[in-house]
Amino acid sequence: DTEVTQTPKHLVMGMTNKKSLKCEQHMGHRAMYWYKQKAKKPPELMFVYSYEKLSINESVPSRFSPECPNSSLLNLHLHALQPEDSALYLCASSQSQGNYGYTFGSGTRLTVV
Amino acid sequence: GQNIDQPTEMTATEGAIVQINCTYQTSGFNGLFWYQQHAGEAPTFLSYNVLDGLEEKGRFSSFLSRSKGYSYLLLKELQMKDSASYLCAVRSDRGSTLGRLYFGRGTQLTVWP
Repeated sequence: DTEVTQTPKHLVMGMTNKKSLKCEQHMGHRAMYWYKQKAKKPPELMFVYSYEKLSINESVPSRFSPECPNSSLLNLHLHALQPEDSALYLCASSQSQGNYGYTFGSGTRLTVV
Repeated sequence: GQNIDQPTEMTATEGAIVQINCTYQTSGFNGLFWYQQHAGEAPTFLSYNVLDGLEEKGRFSSFLSRSKGYSYLLLKELQMKDSASYLCAVRSDRGSTLGRLYFGRGTQLTVWP
């Protein structure tokens, strides 16, 4: 298995909803990442987990809450989002934080209404 | 700070060769990546350079000069399906940002018949 799987592929949520994005990989990678990408912009790093511990938080608002329950799973919990949070959310993994390339998931297209 | 610069748009015709340049100024360096991204999809890995020189992989080649802070992606025998955004990304080797990818804005390539 050489993939990073993200679910759901599309999500529409209201500003008062609570939802979660899920990311899974079974490549034995120990670093996992959340990126946010707006249309025609490059991906922007949100969070990095290394060996299931949060190692980088790029000053992301608290309405985004990451969780890494085990070495294969990464979640992003969403609460009280704003319409400007609508974007493509990408999960990625790498063998370790310092080395090797990323494998990206196919992303979750989030629309906040 | 980190500065990664690449052209915003390029056009070429089917069968031609195109070179997409990337210049970077970063506080640390642990490799340069090129990704291809079709609209609405996740980035897919194309190439990786960490030492100076040319890496060739089929129709795609990538070159790196660390002393000049310069890389290019060369696409040969262009096909319509090569129309996409091409992202240059530099990986950090420093402390708290270890492993982080810094992306350029992407070059939107349009291939005409």
